Amino acid sequence: DAGITQSPRHKVTETGTPVTLRCHQTENHRYMYWYRQDPGHGLRLIHYSYGVKDTDKGEVSDGYSVSRSKTEDFLLTLESATSSQTSVYFCAISESTTGGNQPQHFGDGTRLSIL
Amino acid sequence: SQQGEEDPQALSIQEGENATMNCSYKTSINNLQWYRQNSGRGLVHLILIRSNEREKHSGRLRVTLDTSKKSSSLLITASRAADTASYFCATDNQAGTALIFGKGTTLSVSS
Repeated sequence: DAGITQSPRHKVTETGTPVTLRCHQTENHRYMYWYRQDPGHGLRLIHYSYGVKDTDKGEVSDGYSVSRSKTEDFLLTLESATSSQTSVYFCAISESTTGGNQPQHFGDGTRLSIL
Repeated sequence: SQQGEEDPQALSIQEGENATMNCSYKTSINNLQWYRQNSGRGLVHLILIRSNEREKHSGRLRVTLDTSKKSSSLLITASRAADTASYFCATDNQAGTALIFGKGTTLSVSS
């Protein structure tokens, strides 16, 4: 299995609080991704990174920010969590050098509940 | 915006039967990928087929791609209870930098 770890695995927090999710990889892959998965919507891309300090927005980036200060870590931050951000969040990595032409390997997700 | 759409949304079969899932997409692609997701787990990559390929096999999996119809199918032969999962197709985005996933087909295989 690809070395990818998400933390925390579960989190319950209140509306308006900041939340940071961490994705850590041991594969030294260039590309890292954050998705959210919701019933009826499938998997939707939030942000992705193609290198240290290089990030770009995905389909549902509003309300989220990311940072990548090291190759191995990709952080997703909800600056002020809202109930609509209750979801399961997945991190993925790719050995691709250009992004979309190789398989992605996924972590086991973070289940986030915002009350 | 959703690129791939799987059909059917749900499929229930008996062990030993074949399962076929279809994926349709809207714009031209460089490659199409299929993933499996077991309950409570992350997605697992199954197979990648490039736009210049028509068919690809991996064990009990057979994937076809028809770029003229913008569609792909995933066939699982001789299904087992362990194949029970959700299956997603994904295509690369226009920039080729990320994947766009469909909403998935939920497969249930009963013994």
